[in-house]
Amino acid sequence: DIQMTQSPSSLSASVGDRVTITCRASQNINTFLNWYQQKPGKAPRLLIYAASSLQSGVPSRFSGGGSGTDFTLTITSLEPEDFASYYCQQTYSHPRTFGQGTKVDI
Amino acid sequence: EVQLVESGGGLVSPGGSLRLSCVASGFTFSSYEMNWVRQAPGKGLEWISYISTGDPLKTYAASVRGRFTISRDNAKNSLYLQMSSLRVEDTAVYYCARETYDALTRQIFLDHWGQGALVTVSS
Repeated sequence: DIQMTQSPSSLSASVGDRVTITCRASQNINTFLNWYQQKPGKAPRLLIYAASSLQSGVPSRFSGGGSGTDFTLTITSLEPEDFASYYCQQTYSHPRTFGQGTKVDI
Repeated sequence: EVQLVESGGGLVSPGGSLRLSCVASGFTFSSYEMNWVRQAPGKGLEWISYISTGDPLKTYAASVRGRFTISRDNAKNSLYLQMSSLRVEDTAVYYCARETYDALTRQIFLDHWGQGALVTVSS
């Protein structure tokens, strides 16, 4: 199975900050990497697919990058509604594993 | 509007069984692969099962293989998860999620999720 490791597990930031979350795969997954945002008590929401493609309706302050084993999710200027947990997921092979998550709070 | 609505959650004793349902609307259900993802209280997301369209391929996480069975009824626009031999560690919110294949990028992602169904395994 492919293991997905996110870092950091949590971070504190302020409105307007630039935030970068990293995700590392245990083997080459090309660009089969997606990012999701989840707020407390809510279902996850797709932000980025194929490592760098922005899902429709997602603000342009979110961006993704990377290929192979190392990936990033960047929020260029944090808004109050961005305080949430973020998860990466690989869809290169089954089982479709998630990273352990990164909680972004104030 | 795409909607996924889970039902069937509840309290069950260890060793018991439960069946979750997910009713889909707003899209052609039979044309999409589907997944189940769960989240234990205070924990992260765990992918647990996948079913393809047509003559279905089914895959499972090691943690549930042999105990859980995924199925679908395209005539009823419904996805199911039959859970047996339940353990305390199966306590979680269970989400159904639609899987989409993007032809342009040739990539796969979960683009629509239900609101979740809480399953509590406790004596």
